[in-house]
Amino acid sequence: RKEVEQDPGPFNVPEGATVAFNCTYSNSASQSFFWYRQDCRKEPKLLMSVYSSGNEDGRFTAQLNRASQYISLLIRDSKLSDSATYLCVVNTGDKLVFGAGTILRVKS
Amino acid sequence: DVKVTQSSRYLVKRTGEKVFLECVQDMDHENMFWYRQDPGLGLRLIYFSYDVKMKEKGDIPEGYSVSREKKERFSLILESASTNQTSMYLCASSLAGSEQFFGPGTRLTVL
Repeated sequence: RKEVEQDPGPFNVPEGATVAFNCTYSNSASQSFFWYRQDCRKEPKLLMSVYSSGNEDGRFTAQLNRASQYISLLIRDSKLSDSATYLCVVNTGDKLVFGAGTILRVKS
Repeated sequence: DVKVTQSSRYLVKRTGEKVFLECVQDMDHENMFWYRQDPGLGLRLIYFSYDVKMKEKGDIPEGYSVSREKKERFSLILESASTNQTSMYLCASSLAGSEQFFGPGTRLTVL
């Protein structure tokens, strides 16, 4: 079983749609959690950290459920520029473990 | 702005060649990392370093070595390149416990 699992997608959504991604992790001792965004042929960049209480940054909302060991990312009012691969990342204490990513394609 | 640079964007080598991938960061970060990224597998950690002259094996160190002689530079070495090392190689740096910043990547093809 992979340490961090994501649905690879692709998720094809129209502009303005709301889309949600989930991610599960296996190490219950994991300490911190992140979503990174990776554009085609580019390097990953931090989108947002994920806190236990849930956090929001504009159109993006991240949630953490430690009991069920999953993390979610909700994108509201999708824009064409949101098209990218979203990587779920878990800090296990000594390293970051990356999921394989979920592809989002927003279409006009 | 943090800047992480990698020596080449694209590299083509032959099986058995020794390959050096260089990474330099300009923000005085203690931590540096080398990953490879393959379709469907995500980023996998090859080696990392928390200090000069210090190195730790990641999840897939076989066939690779690293060197960190200066704080800002972390080199990945393929002693004898093989076709299964064809991949995208990403370097990252960070402060302790903080966000990792990635370089643009080197797409290595081994023929």
